Amino acid sequence: EADIYQTPRYLVIGTGKKITLECSQTMGHDKMYWYQQDPGMELHLIHYSYGVNSTEKGDLSSESTVSRIRTEHFPLTLESARPSHTSQYLCASSEELVGNEQFFGPGTRLTVL
Amino acid sequence: AQSVTQLGSHVSVSEGALVLLRCNYSSSVPPYLFWYVQYPNQGLQLLLKYTSAATLVKGINGFEAEFKKSETSFHLTKPSAHMSDAAEYFCAVSDTAGGYNKLIFGAGTRLAVHP
Repeated sequence: EADIYQTPRYLVIGTGKKITLECSQTMGHDKMYWYQQDPGMELHLIHYSYGVNSTEKGDLSSESTVSRIRTEHFPLTLESARPSHTSQYLCASSEELVGNEQFFGPGTRLTVL
Repeated sequence: AQSVTQLGSHVSVSEGALVLLRCNYSSSVPPYLFWYVQYPNQGLQLLLKYTSAATLVKGINGFEAEFKKSETSFHLTKPSAHMSDAAEYFCAVSDTAGGYNKLIFGAGTRLAVHP
């Protein structure tokens, strides 16, 4: 079944640790996105990709980095986690055509102590 | 640049009552508009989308939305609320400038349904 997956779903980690949030999709989509969402708040785009070896920064500045080595995989990395990174991170993908809807994963709720 | 405004961060209705969630957009080009629903600790699920084919769009779970260009609105409605409709609802417009496909989200409206 075509879907989009995120792991872990929940992560509690100490300050200074390096973390990678995984996102994979089996939908065959070229475009992928990362959003950051604070509790009860709107979503902000932090990274996006149009395909393999393509990554762009989004509208909200983020200290995280992303990579796109395979079409289906779009991991997000924080080299040194801080409490200010505590948030929910949502991954999404969409087809190539402009105006198509984005499909979202279940999200990773990150807490940095 | 495109933007979205959702009027009312919290809406509370009785079970069986009409649901009306308001969304106004700003776009310099014909917009693509979306409504998503988010249940606690989950990702976003598409309810419906407007892509200029018809001004009244029907979605899942009995929701529908009407595109009104003159009012730059895309309000979401459901004739009869159910307890399971309690969730966060997001309106979004597609930023298509430069061939991109980014979504610009509103701040969301939390819908509460009480017996």
